[in-house]
Amino acid sequence: EAQVTQNPRYLITVTGKKLTVTCSQNMNHEYMSWYRQDPGLGLRQIYYSMNVEVTDKGDVPEGYKVSRKEKRNFPLILESPSPNQTSLYFCASSMAANYGYTFGSGTRLTVV
Amino acid sequence: ILNVEQSPQSLHVQEGDSTNFTCSFPSSNFYALHWYRWETAKSPEALFVMTLNGDEKKKGRISATLNTKEGYSYLYIKGSQPEDSATYLCASSGGYQKVTFGTGTKLQVIP
Repeated sequence: EAQVTQNPRYLITVTGKKLTVTCSQNMNHEYMSWYRQDPGLGLRQIYYSMNVEVTDKGDVPEGYKVSRKEKRNFPLILESPSPNQTSLYFCASSMAANYGYTFGSGTRLTVV
Repeated sequence: ILNVEQSPQSLHVQEGDSTNFTCSFPSSNFYALHWYRWETAKSPEALFVMTLNGDEKKKGRISATLNTKEGYSYLYIKGSQPEDSATYLCASSGGYQKVTFGTGTKLQVIP
């Protein structure tokens, strides 16, 4: 089944403890992206990647890192999480810019 | 328009009614306009992607139009059903560059 797999689905962590949210797609898509969803703000782009080893900042990259060492994986790294990073996170992938995105199931992160 | 704006924010319609929503986006540096359907507790699902001025797309009772010169797109639902209840998102992109989403229109269809 073609899909984008995110893990974990839910995570509660403490301020400053490094964490990684994994994202993997099995559709050989070149384009991958991370978004966060906050009430009243819509989906905001954190980082995106056009291909292996090619990444760029979205609208809200502060406090996040990404890597794209393999085509299928695009992990989101929070080196020192803070409470303002409490949010619902989505990973998405696409074959090309004029194709719709396939979204992962989301990761609800709480930083206390 | 600097951001992607959607209206109305929310909408209640009776089953069987037809309805439409608006998405406004920056017309400069435009490449593609996406529409997504987002049901509660699920992930957004792609409905349409349009790139050309005048594009019209249709999937069952749902259709969309695109005007890139004036920077707007309409989503139409004909004969709304309770299963159409969801949040409808639009997003504008300049190719592989930043993709900007609107805040969505939340539709509730009352049986």
